[in-house]
Amino acid sequence: GIQVEQSPPDLILQEGANSTLRCNFSDSVNNLQWFHQNPWGQLINLFYIPSGTKQNGRLSATTVATERYSLLYISSSQTTDSGVYFCACNQAGTALIFGKGTTLSVSS
Amino acid sequence: DTEVTQTPKHLVMGMTNKKSLKCEQHMGHRAMYWYKQKAKKPPELMFVYSYEKLSINESVPSRFSPECPNSSLLNLHLHALQPEDSALYLCASSHHSRQGGGSDTQYFGPGTRLTVL
Repeated sequence: GIQVEQSPPDLILQEGANSTLRCNFSDSVNNLQWFHQNPWGQLINLFYIPSGTKQNGRLSATTVATERYSLLYISSSQTTDSGVYFCACNQAGTALIFGKGTTLSVSS
Repeated sequence: DTEVTQTPKHLVMGMTNKKSLKCEQHMGHRAMYWYKQKAKKPPELMFVYSYEKLSINESVPSRFSPECPNSSLLNLHLHALQPEDSALYLCASSHHSRQGGGSDTQYFGPGTRLTVL
């Protein structure tokens, strides 16, 4: 099956800083999603992005399918951005596979 | 509306109890999923229902029994659980699931935090 690797595993930022999270995947995919899991456990869907670039406010994501990686950019980080960011992907007919996540801590 | 609801939020049960977790969505999605998440780990798929039929069972022990009464509801019946089954149980849904894999955005509920004593 697909292997999904995320980096860095942990990230500590001051409020207002920018960051880039990376997701590498081992094979071509039909589906790639970025999630934010808040401290209460809720998984919030950030982007559905099997290819291309999308932006939503301070967040943007780029997936380069031919090179099998995706990047999540967080600009002007806020304390509410803290939590775990997961990348998950799959091929048609297979289960969604999650990376191990990046734990982000933003301090004021 | 992109909401998936789950009840209860928290559940504490003994090893001899029988309980059920419930999940509901009204987005017209025809694929629904159960995931299990242990602390500091990513979610792991347990079951997939596609058009109310079980399409994937990821070798889950029989003490977990899923049920999909209609296209909006998904239940997970629990019986004779072990302490190691304590975890966050997440429900998700998507528009459809091609042979169980899903190619559309999955939306997750807030989860049920289960503790087995």
